[in-house]
Amino acid sequence: ILNVEQSPQSLHVQEGDSTNFTCSFPSSNFYALHWYRWETAKSPEALFVMTLNGDEKKKGRISATLNTKEGYSYLYIKGSQPEDSATYLCALNTGTASKLTFGTGTRLQVTL
Amino acid sequence: AAGVIQSPRHLIKEKRETATLKCYPIPRHDTVYWYQQGPGQDPQFLISFYEKMQSDKGSIPDRFSAQQFSDYHSELNMSSLELGDSALYFCASSTRTGRNEQFFGPGTRLTVL
Repeated sequence: ILNVEQSPQSLHVQEGDSTNFTCSFPSSNFYALHWYRWETAKSPEALFVMTLNGDEKKKGRISATLNTKEGYSYLYIKGSQPEDSATYLCALNTGTASKLTFGTGTRLQVTL
Repeated sequence: AAGVIQSPRHLIKEKRETATLKCYPIPRHDTVYWYQQGPGQDPQFLISFYEKMQSDKGSIPDRFSAQQFSDYHSELNMSSLELGDSALYFCASSTRTGRNEQFFGPGTRLTVL
C-alpha cells in the first residue's frame, strides 16, 4: 500500500500572504507526481504533472518543485487570493496509465 | 474543450437497490478510472479500463462491477447498495501516451438512504 502524505491538513492565511505545503511519497517505483486543485462542488483541476527529479513548474502565482530521491514535492502560492481557497491534492503515479494514489489534501482558506 | 462527462450528477437510492453511474471520457482518451470519495476522506481508486479491458483494480467491493464500451464510455454498476456506499464517485480519463495526466469529471454524488 502506497502512503502519500500531505501537510499541513489545513491552512488559513490572509490575502497577500505566500504559503507552501508538502507532499511526501515513497521514492521507489516513482513515475509521476500530480497536483490538483479541488474546489467544493467542482471536479479536481489538474495543476501540474512532474516526472523528473528537480522539476520545477509554474502556473501564474502557483509553483511546484519535485525531489524524487527523497520523496517530496512542495507547492507554493505567492500572494494568496481568496479565489485560491480550495483543497490541494497531490497524487502519486507509479506507472504509465496506472491509478493515482492521492494524499489526504491540504485545505487552504484565504481571507481578506 | 470537451471534458469528462458523468451522469447522473446526483442519485438517491434506498438500501439494497442498484445504481448505474456513467462516464464519458474526453474524446480520444482510451483509459478510464473510477474513484470513490467518502465524506471527509481522500479519493480512493476503484477500477480502471484501457481499450475496454480492465487494467487495474483497487478497493472495489464485489457488489460493484464496471465495464468500458466500444465508444470508450464506462459504466459502474452497484448492487445491494449499503449506507456506506454514499459517496462522491469520480471518473477520470487519460491517454496511455505522455505523462498520464488524468482529467476528472464533475462526479456523481450517490446518497443511499
